[in-house]
Amino acid sequence: DAGVIQSPRHEVTEMGQEVTLRCKPISGHNSLFWYRQTMMRGLELLIYFNNNVPIDDSGMPEDRFSAKMPNASFSTLKIQPSEPRDSAVYFCASRTGPAEKLFFGSGTQLSVL
Amino acid sequence: DQQVKQNSPSLSVQEGRISILNCDYTNSMFDYFLWYKKYPAEGPTFLISISSIKDKNEDGRFTVFLNKSAKHLSLHIVPSQPGDSAVYFCAAAYSNYQLIWGAGTKLIIKP
Repeated sequence: DAGVIQSPRHEVTEMGQEVTLRCKPISGHNSLFWYRQTMMRGLELLIYFNNNVPIDDSGMPEDRFSAKMPNASFSTLKIQPSEPRDSAVYFCASRTGPAEKLFFGSGTQLSVL
Repeated sequence: DQQVKQNSPSLSVQEGRISILNCDYTNSMFDYFLWYKKYPAEGPTFLISISSIKDKNEDGRFTVFLNKSAKHLSLHIVPSQPGDSAVYFCAAAYSNYQLIWGAGTKLIIKP
């Protein structure tokens, strides 16, 4: 299995632009997580999907952030408009069920200038 | 309110010696704990876990100890190897909820 696949690996954009991050979870995994990692706040959970349904989005910073999971094999995290404080590494992770280990993608390094 | 705390931002250990990484938690409802390792430019990878019904779990050079009364867990790496240099995250969970993560400890193994 190829693991969790994220794209792009790096994204550099200007303030105000729309940014879309993509994730393909491991086949057969029914839970998907989006995390953000910064030096100041460490690893923060943004949103959690179970069976393609958003269960907990309390970590989404504000309305500029949105996430979708149209099917079991694809999810997107969109930031519109982007701001410099959104610069971070964004990780996607998936797992088969509760109390099971999470498998992480390699992350997307986002820089908003 | 940090429910999972890793109070040491970094730790330096001589190759071949034991590395001990610590993690404290505040929520007595946590029933499952995990350790992840993260290399630069990669996502975290699962290392070892322990259920709250146990006080020790071992996997090769890695052992996790859980002290429920002290709400403390630790990861022992024996012997430490240069490839163990990474950031180690402690995480905790209860019921079906998502993991609560510590801030991480950067482990440096000196040759």
